[in-house]
Amino acid sequence: AQSVTQLDSHVSVSEGTPVLLRCNYSSSYSPSLFWYVQHPNKGLQLLLKYTSAATLVKGINGFEAEFKKSETSFHLTKPSAHMSDAAEYFCVVSTYSSASKIIFGSGTRLSIRP
Amino acid sequence: EAEVAQSPRYKITEKSQAVAFWCDPISGHATLYWYRQILGQGPELLVQFQDESVVDDSQLPKDRFSAERLKGVDSTLKIQPAELGDSAMYLCASSLGGGADTQYFGPGTRLTVL
Repeated sequence: AQSVTQLDSHVSVSEGTPVLLRCNYSSSYSPSLFWYVQHPNKGLQLLLKYTSAATLVKGINGFEAEFKKSETSFHLTKPSAHMSDAAEYFCVVSTYSSASKIIFGSGTRLSIRP
Repeated sequence: EAEVAQSPRYKITEKSQAVAFWCDPISGHATLYWYRQILGQGPELLVQFQDESVVDDSQLPKDRFSAERLKGVDSTLKIQPAELGDSAMYLCASSLGGGADTQYFGPGTRLTVL
């Protein structure tokens, strides 16, 4: 069985300060992990993905995430928030075994204060 | 840049009526996904196709929902009869393969059941 938990439903930071969005996962197989972003009235867009290569993954717009197997975590970070980062962020776990399973987290809404 | 197309963008219907949604994936993408996203939640996978075959439909309410991808290209998702609880955004995505391949999402169909 697999699951994904986004630990914060809403995160608010000031512009120019670091961003941390937390994601824990559970999987019976070696998972692939993703972060997607959903801006208001726009489609979901891939930020980055982990597929058992480097544990530190760099994505678009300055975001990165680190896969920590011992902690079953895949937290998303950015050194300096920008107003345009305000959006909904989803952590996703996928396994490609006999039955492919894809599960989205419940989402974290990121707000940026001027 | 190639995109996933969906129609209609918005649909309002009365309960007990039939509704259908259409999706045209990016050309050459073998895998097609239908998701349902209830307001404030993450997308839930309803059905996954590999070419014209269903890979996973474990979360599809088969008493009222059906999906097909007859020629392995575009796809239709149908609900009959619609219920109030079906009000949601229905998202279509496609990828070259399954598992760790990046999914590209369409803009979605917003369904309102009255």
